[in-house]
Amino acid sequence: DQQVKQNSPSLSVQEGRISILNCDYTNSMFDYFLWYKKYPAEGPTFLISISSIKDKNEDGRFTVFLNKSAKHLSLHIVPSQPGDSAVYFCAAGLAGGTSYGKLTFGQGTILTVHP
Amino acid sequence: GAGVSQSPSNKVTEKGKDVELRCDPISGHTALYWYRQSLGQGLEFLIYFQGNSAPDKSGLPSDRFSAERTGGSVSTLTIQRTQQEDSAVYLCASSLAPTRWETQYFGPGTRLLVL
Repeated sequence: DQQVKQNSPSLSVQEGRISILNCDYTNSMFDYFLWYKKYPAEGPTFLISISSIKDKNEDGRFTVFLNKSAKHLSLHIVPSQPGDSAVYFCAAGLAGGTSYGKLTFGQGTILTVHP
Repeated sequence: GAGVSQSPSNKVTEKGKDVELRCDPISGHTALYWYRQSLGQGLEFLIYFQGNSAPDKSGLPSDRFSAERTGGSVSTLTIQRTQQEDSAVYLCASSLAPTRWETQYFGPGTRLLVL
C-alpha cells in the first residue's frame, strides 16, 4: 500500500518559470511532511518541511503548500533554475510512538529545468 | 568526516551469498535509519536505531535482513542468502535525535546488485 504517492514521474520546466511538484497521501495521521532533493550518486538532502497544523511554508524560492482535506501537498519553485534539476521526493512522518522519525517516501519526480 | 558515509559504494554478489553494508553516521547523531530504494520506487523504510537499540524494525522485508549498531555509532545491515529482489540502493541516514526529523542527513548509499 503506497501511502505517499507522486503521480508524475517527471516534469520539464523552462528556466525562470514556476515548477510545481505534487504529492498525495492516504494516511490522515501523518503529522509532518518534507521535501527532499536528490542528485545522482548522492543521498537525498532536506529541502523544506511543513507541519500538519500549517497550510504553507516558504523558504526563499521554495514554498510548500498543504491541503489536508484533499490529502495533497505541493512544492513550488519560483523562479526555477537549471541547478534545481534533480529528483524530488516528498515524505511524510508521524510524530508519536515508536514511529517517530520514520519517514514514508513517495516514488520521486525527476525535475528538469531547461536554460 | 562531516557527513554520513557508507561502504561499499557498490556491491555485486551472487544469489545466495551474504552481504554486509556499513554506515558511519555523523558524529554525535543518536538516531540512525536504514532505507532502500528499488528501481522506480520511493525510499522504503527498513529499520531505525536510537542509540544501539532498534525501537522500530517493522520495515525489514524478511528474516534474512538484520541490522546492528554498536557504540551508538557504526551500523551494519546484513542480508543473508541474497535474492535478486534484494537489488536496490541501500541508504543510511542519521539525525541528532528522532525528534529532529527535519535534519535526517543521508549518506550516498550502497548500490547492491544480486546476480
